[in-house]
Amino acid sequence: DAGVIQSPRHEVTEMGQEVTLRCKLISGHNSLFWYRQTMMRGLELLIYFNNNVPIDDSGMPEDRFSAKMPNASFSTLKIQPSEPRDSAVYFCASSLGPAEGYNEQFFGPGTRLTVL
Amino acid sequence: SQKIEQNSEALNIQEGKTATLTCNYTNYSPAYLQWYRQDPGRGPVFLLLIRENEKEKRKERLKVTFDTTLKQSLFHITASQPADSATYLCAPNTDKLIFGTGTRLQVFP
Repeated sequence: DAGVIQSPRHEVTEMGQEVTLRCKLISGHNSLFWYRQTMMRGLELLIYFNNNVPIDDSGMPEDRFSAKMPNASFSTLKIQPSEPRDSAVYFCASSLGPAEGYNEQFFGPGTRLTVL
Repeated sequence: SQKIEQNSEALNIQEGKTATLTCNYTNYSPAYLQWYRQDPGRGPVFLLLIRENEKEKRKERLKVTFDTTLKQSLFHITASQPADSATYLCAPNTDKLIFGTGTRLQVFP
């Protein structure tokens, strides 16, 4: 298995532009997590899906952020409009079961986003 | 609010020694706790999971303890090697994982 796949690996954009990050889960996994990592705040959970349904989006910073799971194996995280403070590394992770179960998470390589 | 504390300063130890990393949490009672390793430019990688009814868990040179009274987990690497140099994240769980900011470990020859 190729593991969790994220694209793009690097994204540089200008303030105000729309940014779309993509994630492909490991085959057979049914939970999907989007995280953001910065030096100051560490690794923060943005949103968590189980069986394609958003379960917890309390970490989504504001309305500029949205996430979808159009099918069981794919997810997108969109930022519109982007701002310099959104600059961070965004990770996608998947697991075999729900977050409250004893399930390890498998992380993708991350997307490094820079908003100028 | 729920809070997780890991040593923010880097831990530097000599090869062959035992490294001990600390994770303290407040204001919640996790059913279990996970430890992850993160190398620069990469995503975290799962290492160990310990449940609240387990005092200790071992995997090769790794050992994790979980003290629900002290609200603390200790992560030990015995016979440390330069290849163990990385950032180690603890993640207590209730209905979701909440990650600490991690402790950077540097093992020098």
